[in-house]
Order: sequence, then structure tokens, then C-alpha cells
Amino acid sequence: KNEVEQSPQNLTAQEGEFITINCSYSVGISALHWLQQHPGGGIVSLFMLSSGKKKHGRLIATINIQEKHSSLHITASHPRDSAVYICAVTIGNTPLVFGKGTRLSVIA
Amino acid sequence: KAGVTQTPRYLIKTRGQQVTLSCSPISGHRSVSWYQQTPGQGLQFLFEYFSETQRNKGNFPGRFSGRQFSNSRSEMNVSTLELGDSALYLCASMGGGTDTQYFGPGTRLTVL
Repeated sequence: KNEVEQSPQNLTAQEGEFITINCSYSVGISALHWLQQHPGGGIVSLFMLSSGKKKHGRLIATINIQEKHSSLHITASHPRDSAVYICAVTIGNTPLVFGKGTRLSVIA
Repeated sequence: KAGVTQTPRYLIKTRGQQVTLSCSPISGHRSVSWYQQTPGQGLQFLFEYFSETQRNKGNFPGRFSGRQFSNSRSEMNVSTLELGDSALYLCASMGGGTDTQYFGPGTRLTVL
């Protein structure tokens, strides 16, 4: 069983829609990361969370430590948000353990 | 500041050959991690170097090795290449007192 599960695997949205991507993990963690990967491979770190909520522009990330669950929200989605979104966790000093990713397509 | 750079960006090798990939971290970053990304397995951790010492190692065979130089630049080597080694290899650097990893553009390796 993968320690990090993401849903949905694929998501298609119309421009302007509110989007939610979910991440669940099975063990206690030190931190949870949300990453964005555009076609071509480059990865950008969006958020690192250990509790609560963070916001950057139209992106919001939340984490519930008790429920071992995190969500990434995109408000007013735009075609340039089309990418693969990857959830990853660190457990103590261990390196990142990744989810399989959610492929998002936003259609104009 | 310049970002993380990786060379080469694309590489084609044949089975049995060996390959060396290079990663230059952001200036001042002392931690460099390497990852393999394949369609089937997704992203997997290979190893992490900090100040020229391997700090963590993933579950990969001994054919995969790495090193870090005094200027924090890192190389990874894969010997006796197999078809299954075809993947995007990403490195990421970390430093400046934060746990945020900054990824390079990756090296796409194709093994024929």
C-alpha cells in the first residue's frame, strides 16, 4: 500500500471553476509538500505544511493532522494551471515520499 | 540567484553502458537530492548528499551511485544500464535554513 494516496488521478475543469485535489497519508509525518509539475518535467514546490492552512495567490493548501489529510484548492482556475500536482511527505529526517500525482487539465 | 541546473538534458544510451549525470545546486545550498521519475513508479528518492556526505539512500540497486564535490555540485552514476533505467532524473537542492526543495529541469535518459 502506498503511504501517500492522491485523488482524483485525473481532473478536467472549465476555466473559472474551483478545484480541489486531495491527499491522504497513512503514517505520522513531519511535513507535507505540494508540488507542481508542468509538461517537460520541471517541478516547482508550491507549499510545505505541518499544520493549518497556507495561501499563495489563487492556491490554498490545508492540512488536518488528526485525519492525516491535506487538500490543495485552486480558485478561479485558468488553463495555465494545467499540470500534474504531486503530494509528498517527510517522516522525521527521511526523504520525500511521493503520491502518484493528479493530472489537471483546465479548458478555456 | 540562478536556479538548479542539470546536464545533460537528454541522453540516449544502450543497455550495458554507464552514464553520469550532473547537478549544480543553487548557490549556497549544501543539500542535493536525486530522484527518478517513471510513468509506472512515479517519483522515487535515490539519494541525498550534504556537505559531500551521503545522508540518505533510497531503495535502488548498487548500480546507482552518487557523489558531491566541495562546491556542492553533485553527480550520479548508473552503471550497466538496463531498459528499466529509462526515466527522468531530477535533482533538487535545499538550503538557506528552509526545508523547501528547488528542483532542476531534469535529465531524460533513454536506454535502448
